Amino acid sequence: AQKITQTQPGMFVQEKEAVTLDCTYDTSDQSYGLFWYKQPSSGEMIFLIYQGSYDEQNATEGRYSLNFQKARKSANLVISASQLGDSAMYFCAMREGSGYSTLTFGKGTMLLVSP
Amino acid sequence: DVKVTQSSRYLVKRTGEKVFLECVQDMDHENMFWYRQDPGLGLRLIYFSYDVKMKEKGDIPEGYSVSREKKERFSLILESASTNQTSMYLCASSLNRYEQYFGPGTRLTVT
Repeated sequence: AQKITQTQPGMFVQEKEAVTLDCTYDTSDQSYGLFWYKQPSSGEMIFLIYQGSYDEQNATEGRYSLNFQKARKSANLVISASQLGDSAMYFCAMREGSGYSTLTFGKGTMLLVSP
Repeated sequence: DVKVTQSSRYLVKRTGEKVFLECVQDMDHENMFWYRQDPGLGLRLIYFSYDVKMKEKGDIPEGYSVSREKKERFSLILESASTNQTSMYLCASSLNRYEQYFGPGTRLTVT
């Protein structure tokens, strides 16, 4: 079974609207972390936001927020007030356990923001 | 700001050649990682390292080796390049169990 599932290969949104990118995860560990990265066409991976499994509040970073639903094992990324520069590939990733810091990535969602 | 650099943005090699991909980070990070990225497959971990001269296999180590002689440098080696190793290679580093910082990537084509 996949550890990280991103079911939306592509998403379209109009500028200034909000968009939610889905991510579900599978782990039996109690301690884990969830990450979102953005990859524009230039190719570089940009860290956006982090949520720890014991964090009680949803993480927020500027226009990015993470809708963390632990019981449903989902960690959706919400981008408010989309901008043209948000057009990119978005990856959800998970670190399991409290030991090594390796990440498992989902297959990504391509977001296109139109004027 | 953390800076992770990779020796080449684009590389073209012939089948059977030995290929070195270099990665350097300037923030004294303990952890370094090599991934490959293919369309529809996301990022897959090849090797990682938690300290100088230390290495661990990731999910797809076959056909690759690594070297970490200095803390800031992590090299990925393709001993005998094959066409199925044509891909985007991404290096990353991290200080702790939180975010990884990525380099710009090397797009390798093996012909």
